[in-house]
Amino acid sequence: AQSVTQLDSQVPVFEEAPVELRCNYSSSVSVYLFWYVQYPNQGLQLLLKYLSGSTLVKGINGFEAEFNKSQTSFHLRKPSVHISDTAEYFCAVTHFGNEKLTFGTGTRLTIIP
Amino acid sequence: DVKVTQSSRYLVKRTGEKVFLECVQDMDHENMFWYRQDPGLGLRLIYFSYDVKMKEKGDIPEGYSVSREKKERFSLILESASTNQTSMYLCASHLAGHTDTQYFGPGTRLTVL
Repeated sequence: AQSVTQLDSQVPVFEEAPVELRCNYSSSVSVYLFWYVQYPNQGLQLLLKYLSGSTLVKGINGFEAEFNKSQTSFHLRKPSVHISDTAEYFCAVTHFGNEKLTFGTGTRLTIIP
Repeated sequence: DVKVTQSSRYLVKRTGEKVFLECVQDMDHENMFWYRQDPGLGLRLIYFSYDVKMKEKGDIPEGYSVSREKKERFSLILESASTNQTSMYLCASHLAGHTDTQYFGPGTRLTVL
């Protein structure tokens, strides 16, 4: 079985400050990891993904995430946030041969002007 | 561009009504999914279909059924809507073996009175 934990349900951050959204996973096999973003009143769109190779993954809108196998983590970071980054962010996990994603409970990022 | 469309953005129904939520994708994807999104609970899988007329229960199938008569269309059915089914419903699809490129529809916000 696989699972994802997003410990922070809400993260307020001042505009232009850095942010880190935390994600920890649990799986007995090698994983594929994802971050999705959901802007207000929209569906989910893929921010970035880790399948293999380099543990530092860069995504859209200046976001990046680092896969840490020993810590079973895949934290999302951005060095300087903008008002437009206000959204809900979901971490998800799957593994080879699994057609389904398992999602975390989401982190709502609020940018303070 | 892959498009996943959902028949309604907002829907209001009464307790006991039969409710149909429709999802259509235009990229010949084998796999289609229905999720339910609730605050603090993230996305939970209701049903999954991997081919026409094929379906598999997700984590929370109780109170729901699905239909997939054509490859591009996946319907979620609430046989007798209840107030605890008030939620955001998200449809998604991807090619078989390509969980890393899952596309989401914009969602249907269902309110059951």
